[in-house]
Amino acid sequence: QVQLVQSGADVKRPGSSVKVSCKASGDTFTKYTITWVRQAPGKGPEWMGRIFPMIGVTNYAQRFQDRVKITADKSTNTAYIELDRLRSDDAAVYYCGRGPQGSGSGSFYVDSWGPGTLLTVSS
Amino acid sequence: SYELPQPPSVSVSPGQTAIITCSGDELGYKFSSWYQQKAGQSPVLILYQDNKRPSGIPERFSGSSSGNTATLTIWGTQPLDEAVYFCQGWDGDNVIFGGGTTLTVL
Repeated sequence: QVQLVQSGADVKRPGSSVKVSCKASGDTFTKYTITWVRQAPGKGPEWMGRIFPMIGVTNYAQRFQDRVKITADKSTNTAYIELDRLRSDDAAVYYCGRGPQGSGSGSFYVDSWGPGTLLTVSS
Repeated sequence: SYELPQPPSVSVSPGQTAIITCSGDELGYKFSSWYQQKAGQSPVLILYQDNKRPSGIPERFSGSSSGNTATLTIWGTQPLDEAVYFCQGWDGDNVIFGGGTTLTVL
């Protein structure tokens, strides 16, 4: 069973960037995808994108495409999400999660979730 | 933009059947997933590809999908099933989560 450990809570200024990490253990990192989902207080989750660590291919949600970057370091079993030009409405809990490889509607589920990283955006 | 409306809340008595729906254009023609989230915790996958249960998820959780609706059914609801339930779908371009349904077991 995979365990996902995320970096700690962070506070950023509007207009700056944030990078959140997600370290996987307990299973082969490259057998799966790593998905990033965020959740603002009292809201539903919001899918941001995913990466196939084996080949480095990424899929991004259209609304984040111009300011998000997801990467993975196979040597440390760690995935990252970087979000640029932060705004106040980017404040949320950011989750990483493991998902299956593949494409199409049957491949976007997340079967193991990290504990979440709280991002505060404030001047 | 593609949305997945869910009823904001559902209430049942212990032992009853809870039914939570999720609506979206042609949702029944693409796979959907369901998650359970308890207060202060990360979501937990309870159904994927419409009706498959991950290891460890009780059989009382079942799913179906047809037309524009995906349905989560919880048979013999227990107090520990109190949580917010989210559906997840894909419109061909974007992965979308529903707004969530709060299940109360009175």
